[in-house]
Amino acid sequence: RKEVEQDPGPFNVPEGATVAFNCTYSNSASQSFFWYRQDCRKEPKLLMSVYSSGNEDGRFTAQLNRASQYISLLIRDSKLSDSATYLCVVNRSGGSNYKLTFGKGTLLTVNP
Amino acid sequence: GAGVSQSPSNKVTEKGKDVELRCDPISGHTALYWYRQSLGQGLEFLIYFQGNSAPDKSGLPSDRFSAERTGGSVSTLTIQRTQQEDSAVYLCASSLSRVQETQYFGPGTRLLVL
Repeated sequence: RKEVEQDPGPFNVPEGATVAFNCTYSNSASQSFFWYRQDCRKEPKLLMSVYSSGNEDGRFTAQLNRASQYISLLIRDSKLSDSATYLCVVNRSGGSNYKLTFGKGTLLTVNP
Repeated sequence: GAGVSQSPSNKVTEKGKDVELRCDPISGHTALYWYRQSLGQGLEFLIYFQGNSAPDKSGLPSDRFSAERTGGSVSTLTIQRTQQEDSAVYLCASSLSRVQETQYFGPGTRLLVL
């Protein structure tokens, strides 16, 4: 099982649609979880951290299921500007917890 | 304030040449990371610097790769005797301290080895 696995997509959705991305991770001892966003030919930028209780930031909702080692990101009312690659990111455990493992990303295109 | 800066933004070199990539982290950030992103691949951890501690070099793919961080600030990543498989985007990130602090990425250096 890969350390962090994501559906690569691409996801093509119309403006206003709701879209969900899923991610699984293999290390049950991981403690920190994030979603990053990467625009074409740009650097990754933190979108949101993912907390055990789930968290919401505007149109974005992140969920964590530790038992299933599963993370999700829900985007409501998609905008054209949401088009990007979404990276699921998990930290390693123990003494190497500063190392982040990045999924390969899920490409989203929001169409007018 | 200024973000993480990297130079050069693009580098084309011939196989066998050495290249040096530079990263200037956000002022006051003690943690600095180098990653590599190849086409269609996720970000691959290369090396981590934290303050004056010995760096974690466990992600460096071969002994042709080395990195330094002088004065706890600017870092250089050196690739000796470059190979075509070294072609990738090399990203630098910094954070205020250790993990669970947001990592801020620089724009990257696109390296093409011919």
